Amino acid sequence: AQSVAQPEDQVNVAEGNPLTVKCTYSVSGNPYLFWYVQYPNRGLQFLLKYITGDNLVKGSYGFEAEFNKSQTSFHLKKPSALVSDSALYFCAVRFFNTNAGKSTFGDGTTLTVKP
Amino acid sequence: KAGVTQTPRYLIKTRGQQVTLSCSPISGHRSVSWYQQTPGQGLQFLFEYFSETQRNKGNFPGRFSGRQFSNSRSEMNVSTLELGDSALYLCASSLVSGETYEQYFGPGTRLTVT
Repeated sequence: AQSVAQPEDQVNVAEGNPLTVKCTYSVSGNPYLFWYVQYPNRGLQFLLKYITGDNLVKGSYGFEAEFNKSQTSFHLKKPSALVSDSALYFCAVRFFNTNAGKSTFGDGTTLTVKP
Repeated sequence: KAGVTQTPRYLIKTRGQQVTLSCSPISGHRSVSWYQQTPGQGLQFLFEYFSETQRNKGNFPGRFSGRQFSNSRSEMNVSTLELGDSALYLCASSLVSGETYEQYFGPGTRLTVT
């Protein structure tokens, strides 16, 4: 069965510092990996995805993520954090053929960026 | 383009009642998925509809059902409500049904069962 783990419930960084939100996955076959962000009282917003190709994926708002097959990880990164990046971040995984519209989400990581 | 819209945004129901939630996907999107979000269980997949057919279903009891109309709008119904059904119900649309397509989420319907 496919699963996603976000090992940190909370990540705190200072504004201007680099940030990393961790995600590891377990899936048989090749995964399709996604990051979403959720602001209070809002639905999830798509940030970026890895389907195939270059392991470094760039997305919205200056975020990027690196797919590492050997470590089964897909960590979200940003070189310089903004206070407005404070939100709840979800990693999601799908795999080929059987899941269609079903995404399996991690439990979420709350990112707090302090001025 | 307008985003995914969900109505109503908030609902308060009593145990034993039933409820219907509505979702209008982004124009041109044909796949609609539903998720339940709770603090304890996180985001749980309910079901997905594509071209008026249910393509995939999560591990929820039969009290949870849905449908999709020819204009891709979708409804979700929960019968015989239980306290544990209190949650944020999120609808997500994508262009087609496929593993590589990102989903676009609505703001959710906050259901409170008393």
